[in-house]
Amino acid sequence: AQSVAQPEDQVNVAEGNPLTVKCTYSVSGNPYLFWYVQYPNRGLQFLLKYITGDNLVKGSYGFEAEFNKSQTSFHLKKPSALVSDSALYFCAVRDGGTYKYIFGTGTRLKVLA
Amino acid sequence: DTAVSQTPKYLVTQMGNDKSIKCEQNLGHDTMYWYKQDSKKFLKIMFSYNNKELIINETVPNRFSPKSPDKAHLNLHINSLELGDSAVYFCASSQPGQGSYEQYFGPGTRLTVT
Repeated sequence: AQSVAQPEDQVNVAEGNPLTVKCTYSVSGNPYLFWYVQYPNRGLQFLLKYITGDNLVKGSYGFEAEFNKSQTSFHLKKPSALVSDSALYFCAVRDGGTYKYIFGTGTRLKVLA
Repeated sequence: DTAVSQTPKYLVTQMGNDKSIKCEQNLGHDTMYWYKQDSKKFLKIMFSYNNKELIINETVPNRFSPKSPDKAHLNLHINSLELGDSAVYFCASSQPGQGSYEQYFGPGTRLTVT
């Protein structure tokens, strides 16, 4: 069965420092992977995706993610965190056999000034 | 020019009532979804329609019934509301057929059942 794991409930990072939010996945077939961000009382916003091609994908607001097939990971990164990056981040995978998207449990990112 | 809109934004009602949530997207997408986000922020798919045809029907109570009058609209009707139905419900859309697999989410409807 397809699954997504986000092992950290919360990540704290100082403003200006690099940040990483972890995601591992389990799929049969080629993975379609996504990152979304949710600000309080808002819907999820798409950040970036990996479908095929370069393992390093760049997305909105300076975020990037690296697809690692051998480690089945798709960690979200940003070189220099901003206080405004503080939000809830979700990793998701699309089941290629159905139209279903499976979301991780979310990681709360807190960037400290 | 909101891409995915939902009404109402807040819904407070009593147990046993019937209520509906409406969703509209102006992105021209063929596929629409309903998700439930619980108090722990877990997000779970409930239903999906592709061009007005039901393609995903997760294990949800029969009291929940989606309806898609056209591919730009996907409504959710809930009968005999229960306390456990309290959650935030999100509508989303995508266009997987053109390689654009990412989903676009509405702002959510916070349902509170008392």
